[in-house]
Amino acid sequence: GAVVSQHPSWVICKSGTSVKIECRSLDFQATTMFWYRQFPKQSLMLMATSNEGSKATYEQGVEKDKFLINHASLTLSTLTVTSAHPEDSSFYICSARDPWGEGEKLFFGSGTQLSVL
Amino acid sequence: AQSVTQPDIHITVSEGASLELRCNYSYGATPYLFWYVQSPGQGLQLLLKYFSGDTLVQGIKGFEAEFKRSQSSFNLRKPSVHWSDAAEYFCAVGSNFGNEKLTFGTGTRLTIIP
Repeated sequence: GAVVSQHPSWVICKSGTSVKIECRSLDFQATTMFWYRQFPKQSLMLMATSNEGSKATYEQGVEKDKFLINHASLTLSTLTVTSAHPEDSSFYICSARDPWGEGEKLFFGSGTQLSVL
Repeated sequence: AQSVTQPDIHITVSEGASLELRCNYSYGATPYLFWYVQSPGQGLQLLLKYFSGDTLVQGIKGFEAEFKRSQSSFNLRKPSVHWSDAAEYFCAVGSNFGNEKLTFGTGTRLTIIP
C-alpha cells in the first residue's frame, strides 16, 4: 500500500519554542492531508484538513494561529506548533488521501510524540 | 454529531483464543464504519470497513466485523489470535463514502499472553 512518512517520530522542546512536524506521501500525490491529535487515553481528534495550495480548514476549538499548517506541495504538509506549552504535549498524526488510489484511499503516518518541557 | 465508543480500554487474551472488540457508534444517518490497527511506532492500518451490503465484513489478517444497526454496534472479531495481533485497535465512523473526516473511538489495547 501507499506510504506516508511522518517526521520526527518524537520531539522534546522547551516551552515557548516552535516545533515543525512533516508529513510526506512517498509514492502518491496527496491533494488532501489531515492532522489529528491524540491525548493519552483519548481518541484521535481531527485538528485540521489541509488542501494543497489553499488554506487549511480547522476544526472548532483548534487555534489556527498556534497550529500552523502548510501544504505547499502535493507530497508534503507541515504542522508547526508555535510557542509550544506543556499542554500541547500530545501525539500528533497525519493522514493523506490518495484520490487515484485503488481501494483504500486514506493512509496514515506513524505519528509524532511531542513533549514540551 | 457522530461519536464512537469503545468501552474496553485494555483487553488481554491468550494466544489462540477468540477475540471480540466492542464498538458502538452514534450517527443520524447510514454510518460508514472502520476498524484500524496501530502497532507501536507505526501508522494506523485499515483492517476493514463497512459502507453497505452484507453486514458481516471480512478484513485483513483474519479479522471480521459485524454491523448491527439495531444495536448501533460494529464489533471486531477474530477466531484465533496470534501474538502479532498485540496492538491498539481503533473503531471509527465517517459520514460519506471515503470520507476522511473520521471520528475515532478511544481505542482498545490488546495484549496477547502465551
